[in-house]
Amino acid sequence: GAGVSQTPSNKVTEKGKYVELRCDPISGHTALYWYRQSLGQGPEFLIYFQGTGAADDSGLPNDRFFAVRPEGSVSTLKIQRTERGDSAVYLCASSSSGGEPQHFGDGTRLSIL
Amino acid sequence: TQLLEQSPQFLSIQEGENLTVYCNSSSVFSSLQWYRQEPGEGPVLLVTVVTGGEVKKLKRLTFQFGDARKDSSLHITAAQPGDTGLYLCAGARGADGLTFGKGTHLIIQP
Repeated sequence: GAGVSQTPSNKVTEKGKYVELRCDPISGHTALYWYRQSLGQGPEFLIYFQGTGAADDSGLPNDRFFAVRPEGSVSTLKIQRTERGDSAVYLCASSSSGGEPQHFGDGTRLSIL
Repeated sequence: TQLLEQSPQFLSIQEGENLTVYCNSSSVFSSLQWYRQEPGEGPVLLVTVVTGGEVKKLKRLTFQFGDARKDSSLHITAAQPGDTGLYLCAGARGADGLTFGKGTHLIIQP
């Protein structure tokens, strides 16, 4: 597609469950970023992929969060044992290469009950 | 921790007025990006400024990057209701993830 696509757009689940959030970047973009945006705040960086490898995962809050990008295109953000504090909008962005302007998807709104 | 302070956080003005939003940091960035975000959508890139002192214009919007590449401003001339939204500044350091400010919620009243 023309833009960054994220699925699902909304996800509601119970505390303690496992969730997977998907990001399909702009075709040909080698760099992919995940951010988390809480209500009333700007996005906060989670992890950055260059190709298949995680170049920087310093923003992941703890070991319950993990992300993969096995073929250098689609990425999945995985959250284990979800907590109510994980509720937020998870945004994905891609750029043609690291350091180039980033283009965002519309995010997945995650609600943990 | 690199922080970007945006001000004001909230601004409500009448159609036709001018306004300026500020983005300040104690850190140097390789570039600074301005985004606009509507409810339920992701941020949309407005402009990227790279060179210290650079000024870019996008119709009624003027963006400036400070000489030291630590701060930036967004000036809107003759604001219109369609300018309503959340404006975010974000600093980049090479290929690293962006550092965002908290945003400025702008409301333009007809």
